[in-house]
Amino acid sequence: AQSVTQLGSHVSVSEGALVLLRCNYSSSVPPYLFWYVQYPNQGLQLLLKYTTGATLVKGINGFEAEFKKSETSFHLTKPSAHMSDAAEYFCAVSDHIFGNEKLTFGTGTRLTIIP
Amino acid sequence: DSGVTQTPKHLITATGQRVTLRCSPRSGDLSVYWYQQSLDQGLQFLIQYYNGEERAKGNILERFSAQQFPDLHSELNLSSLELGDSALYFCASSVGVSPYEQYFGPGTRLTVT
Repeated sequence: AQSVTQLGSHVSVSEGALVLLRCNYSSSVPPYLFWYVQYPNQGLQLLLKYTTGATLVKGINGFEAEFKKSETSFHLTKPSAHMSDAAEYFCAVSDHIFGNEKLTFGTGTRLTIIP
Repeated sequence: DSGVTQTPKHLITATGQRVTLRCSPRSGDLSVYWYQQSLDQGLQFLIQYYNGEERAKGNILERFSAQQFPDLHSELNLSSLELGDSALYFCASSVGVSPYEQYFGPGTRLTVT
């Protein structure tokens, strides 16, 4: 069964500093991996996804993530944090097996930006 | 705006009651997924429909049921409600099935009193 572990339920960074949100996955097949962001009182918005091909994936709002098979990781980074990045971030995995295309989410990381 | 709509936005009801949550997927999307988000369980997959047919089931209680209609909108029915059913219920849609990304609606916040 697939699973996702997000290390750190809360992360605080200063405005302009590097953002690093950690995600490790477990999957029985090469996974599809996703990062979603949730702003207060809103639904989830897709930041980026990895399916196949290039392991460094660029997303919206300056975020990127690197798929590292040997480390079973898919960490999310942004070089310079903005106040508008404050939100909850969810890593998700899909086994993409027929009849099992659901997303399995991590527990989320709440990102706080310090002015 | 993801293009996925959900109604109602908020719902307050009493224990033992039954409610129906509605979802309209993005134009052209054939797959609809339902998720529940609660403080203790996090984001949990409930059920998936593809072009009107049930495709996968997750942690969905027997008191809950869903369907997808010919116009591709979907409804999630929750019955014999308990306090623990209070949560945010999200609908998501995708063009097909994996690897297509899922687009999430704004959610319905259900409060059971």
